[in-house]
Amino acid sequence: DTAVSQTPKYLVTQMGNDKSIKCEQNLGHDTMYWYKQDSKKFLKIMFSYNNKELIINETVPNRFSPKSPDKAHLNLHINSLELGDSAVYFCASSQARETEAFFGQGTRLTVV
Amino acid sequence: SQQGEEDPQALSIQEGENATMNCSYKTSINNLQWYRQNSGRGLVHLILIRSNEREKHSGRLRVTLDTSKKSSSLLITASRAADTASYFCARNSGNTPLVFGKGTRLSVIA
Repeated sequence: DTAVSQTPKYLVTQMGNDKSIKCEQNLGHDTMYWYKQDSKKFLKIMFSYNNKELIINETVPNRFSPKSPDKAHLNLHINSLELGDSAVYFCASSQARETEAFFGQGTRLTVV
Repeated sequence: SQQGEEDPQALSIQEGENATMNCSYKTSINNLQWYRQNSGRGLVHLILIRSNEREKHSGRLRVTLDTSKKSSSLLITASRAADTASYFCARNSGNTPLVFGKGTRLSVIA
């Protein structure tokens, strides 16, 4: 069983489009995250949710909107995609913010 | 920058040799964690070391932490080709999510 799963794995889309990435965890964790990894492999936190509530929203354009319908899901919707949004997006979860994080396989987003 | 810094950025060794990667950070921590990322995959947790711990082992992995110097090191002994990956340290401070360093790319040559 996959602990943290995200779909799709690859996403190629044109500038200006709106797209969503889905994430689900079956670990019973309370906290979920979205990270962005750029072409230099640098990982940056975007959002952190705890029990469906937004805890942290780093400096991310408001074109990015996370949605957590329940504790096990944290989806990422992106409006008006730009070339600079091309990256690998990782969903992760943890039992608490100070414990180890479990990562999904990533979604490679390419905006053309 | 709040991010930690790993060094070296890249490391190439022969199979059987030991690999040492270092991580420095700037703020106080609750714990420091090390992760591995194989090419095209997600990150996998390796070891968590708490701020009151100095050393921790897991199989061929040994992690040390020096809070006075705000640094940590990851040692992989008797490396194998399968250890080829990027290794990241991540600091946990209070209620903030993990903050990752820039990673060390390790190549183990058979």
